[in-house]
Amino acid sequence: NAGVTQTPKFRVLKTGQSMTLLCAQDMNHEYMYWYRQDPGMGLRLIHYSVGEGTTAKGEVPDGYNVSRLKKQNFLLGLESAAPSQTSVYFCASSYRTLYEQYFGPGTRLTVT
Amino acid sequence: LAKTTQPISMDSYEGQEVNITCSHNNIATNDYITWYQQFPSQGPRFIIQGYKTKVTNEVASLFIPADRKSSTLSLPRVSLSDTAVYYCLAISSGSARQLTFGSGTQLTVLP
Repeated sequence: NAGVTQTPKFRVLKTGQSMTLLCAQDMNHEYMYWYRQDPGMGLRLIHYSVGEGTTAKGEVPDGYNVSRLKKQNFLLGLESAAPSQTSVYFCASSYRTLYEQYFGPGTRLTVT
Repeated sequence: LAKTTQPISMDSYEGQEVNITCSHNNIATNDYITWYQQFPSQGPRFIIQGYKTKVTNEVASLFIPADRKSSTLSLPRVSLSDTAVYYCLAISSGSARQLTFGSGTQLTVLP
């Protein structure tokens, strides 16, 4: 039982490049979330999904896209990376909104 | 969207009880108060959740008064390993979009 895993753990992009972050969970959770955390700040919700095939915008969705084609996977895409997207990205999953969220180890992304 | 306010930082000594207060003046009827703990370079970890009165589990207690405008996380007999950032969230049963972690409280436990 791996819980929530994220791929990759580190990445450096040049401005304008694209990439996809992968989140996988093996707990059969309905809800999945993508957050970003900037230095010294709390987590901000980017996008979330309440089930396979559904996605919704969170607090800071601009510049990101997501897809949830399979229940266990939630992908976060950056089509044209910008230095302002340098951050640590956390994925989480939960059974429902009020249930405990389980977080992945994070992906540290640097855009130069 | 319920906004929570916490102290930026707190210091304590090993073995002491630590109380971290969170203010949430505009909490909605269907909001629950939830606390998470985050260590450096790790994702947050769930501590406790409650609606009102008192909730206790093996690691903490959560006190929420009748007016629900504030809450207090109580950590009994802290150790050095409790040094972390603690986040108070008001989570709605109606929408995941309202999830916001704020800046949290940096708790430093001193020997």
